Amino acid sequence: AQTVTQSQPEMSVQEAETVTLSCTYDTSESDYYLFWYKQPPSRQMILVIRQEAYKQQNATENRFSVNFQKAAKSFSLKISDSQLGDAAMYFCAYLIYNTDKLIFGTGTRLQVFP
Amino acid sequence: DTGVSQNPRHKITKRGQNVTFRCDPISEHNRLYWYRQTLGQGPEFLTYFQNEAQLEKSRLLSDRFSAERPKGSFSTLEIQRTEQGDSAMYLCASSLGARGGTDTQYFGPGTRLTVL
Repeated sequence: AQTVTQSQPEMSVQEAETVTLSCTYDTSESDYYLFWYKQPPSRQMILVIRQEAYKQQNATENRFSVNFQKAAKSFSLKISDSQLGDAAMYFCAYLIYNTDKLIFGTGTRLQVFP
Repeated sequence: DTGVSQNPRHKITKRGQNVTFRCDPISEHNRLYWYRQTLGQGPEFLTYFQNEAQLEKSRLLSDRFSAERPKGSFSTLEIQRTEQGDSAMYLCASSLGARGGTDTQYFGPGTRLTVL
C-alpha cells in the first residue's frame, strides 16, 4: 500500500525560530514527486514546496526548505524565521509519475507563538 | 480572482436527500480533480477529468456518487441518497494537464457537507 505518515499531529514554534515537520512515505515506485501543502484556517490548500524524486538537490522556496532522504523515504519540511502567518495545517503528499493523484498524510498542525 | 472556485461553500442536508456541488477550475486548466477530506484526515482522491473525460475513479466513489464535466470547463459532483458518513469537506483542484505530475494542482476553498 502507498502511504504517507506524518507522526507529529501538532507542533509549535516561536516567531522567528526554526521548526521542522517530518514526513515518511512508503512506495515501491522510483519516479514520483513529493509536496508540502499548507492549509490555513480558511481551508484553501496552498502548495508550499515540491521535490522531484530524481533530483538529489533539496528544494528550497524562500524560508521553506526540505530534507529529502530517498533511501530512508523521508521528506521533512524546515521553516526558517517562522511568522505568525505560517500557522496552519501542513500536509505532506506524493504523486507517482503518470498517476495524477496526490496521496496525502494526515497533517501536522503548526502553531506559531509571538 | 482567477483561482479555483467552489459552490456552495457550505451545505446542510438531511439523510436521504441528493446534493450537487459545483467546481469552476482555473481557466485553461485541462485537468480537474475531486478530493474528500474528513475531520482530522488529509484529502483523499475521488476522481479526475482530463477535459470532459473522466479518467479515474477511486473505490471511495460509490454508486451514489457521480461526477461530470460536460464541456471540459466546470464540473459537478452529485451525491444521491446522502448518508451521515458522507459528511466531509469536498475539495476541487485543477492543473494545466502536463503528464506525470509535473504541474501543480491548485485547490479551491472546498464545500463542507453536513448530513443530519
